[in-house]
Amino acid sequence: DADVTQTPRNRITKTGKRIMLECSQTKGHDRMYWYRQDPGLGLRLIYYSFDVKDINKGEISDGYSVSRQAQAKFSLSLESAIPNQTALYFCATSQLAGPYNEQFFGPGTRLTVL
Amino acid sequence: AQTVTQSQPEMSVQEAETVTLSCTYDTSENNYYLFWYKQPPSRQMILVIRQEAYKQQNATENRFSVNFQKAAKSFSLKISDSQLGDTAMYFCAPTRGGATNKLIFGTGTLLAVQP
Repeated sequence: DADVTQTPRNRITKTGKRIMLECSQTKGHDRMYWYRQDPGLGLRLIYYSFDVKDINKGEISDGYSVSRQAQAKFSLSLESAIPNQTALYFCATSQLAGPYNEQFFGPGTRLTVL
Repeated sequence: AQTVTQSQPEMSVQEAETVTLSCTYDTSENNYYLFWYKQPPSRQMILVIRQEAYKQQNATENRFSVNFQKAAKSFSLKISDSQLGDTAMYFCAPTRGGATNKLIFGTGTLLAVQP
């Protein structure tokens, strides 16, 4: 199921570089989210967006920024990458209305900052 | 802050057996949703089962079922007739924030199904 796609799937970069992770969805969902996953810590919310004009910080937004270019696209940027941002990053989407509003996840981007 | 506790970092079960993964959480909200997600080695996050907090009936999805105890804030996952393909990390995730529906994830339980 390729309804939520993330590019790149893997990326190795150096400290201080600017990195953009992209997320696209064809599910027609209004809400989009960025999470990071670290070993032993589960997934933590970085940013979320309920529509193109609505951007909200999650619990660990420091060092990150986002852009919601369209309903279907939500990008995550690391302005100056640092090694402790090495993690697995997930994009997710959900509907504004619905009985459960469950989130659907992309395949993840593994980012390594050297 | 809301917390989610999965007290079993790792579990192992024989193929065809039944296993229960535990989850407790802390919330001050009355209405919310709860989810179990599965993450196999492919790292894809896959929804396993979901429950609405205001529904007393426990959710069931084929071999997967939950035991939801709202007063105790407990949401355990039972996997019956375990299969090799069930080997994965399992995350419990209740929502918080009312209409914002943000998920709070536990640290996960790594389940290994042995042949």
